[in-house]
Amino acid sequence: KAGVTQTPRYLIKTRGQQVTLSCSPISGHRSVSWYQQTPGQGLQFLFEYFSETQRNKGNFPGRFSGRQFSNSRSEMNVSTLELGDSALYLCASSLGQSNEQFFGPGTRLTVL
Amino acid sequence: AQSVSQHNHHVILSEAASLELGCNYSYGGTVNLFWYVQYPGQHLQLLLKYFSGDPLVKGIKGFEAEFIKSKFSFNLRKPSVQWSDTAEYFCAVINTGGFKTIFGAGTRLFVKA
Repeated sequence: KAGVTQTPRYLIKTRGQQVTLSCSPISGHRSVSWYQQTPGQGLQFLFEYFSETQRNKGNFPGRFSGRQFSNSRSEMNVSTLELGDSALYLCASSLGQSNEQFFGPGTRLTVL
Repeated sequence: AQSVSQHNHHVILSEAASLELGCNYSYGGTVNLFWYVQYPGQHLQLLLKYFSGDPLVKGIKGFEAEFIKSKFSFNLRKPSVQWSDTAEYFCAVINTGGFKTIFGAGTRLFVKA
């Protein structure tokens, strides 16, 4: 079974630009969560989607948004990038609520 | 608000030493508990999980964790570490029926050969 895939793997952007990251979950998994990982901060929860509905959202500004498609693939978008948005963005999928999560390799975003 | 606290941010051990990583969470309801591990250059992966039943759970590679409900703790243990255990370890909690997993800040373990 193929794992969680994320594209692109690396991105370099400048302040003020916007970026879209993509995540394809494991086949059959309908829940997709996004996290921001930075040194010393661990994984900060961004949002979680299930069947195209956002069920929970973390404490991030409105510049961070996401969506999920009918095939469970998910995208997250960050608008008006700031230097502090530089991080590893992880996507995880699971079968349903409260279950273990399976993580992708992440997208390393660098904002200059 | 829910939170997860990992007591040690960096741990250095020699091979064959015993390991215990602390994890405490704040949430009054029923929770599912996890330890994830991130080996250098690899994805985060599940080490072990606790949903219910025996509070002592065993995971991969000889790791185990004990859930102590009265202490809101889920500490990770391994009797004898190996150089290959060098990784970052994350404790995570989700309330049963919930949609948001809360992770601790992680503990970087370095095992000297």
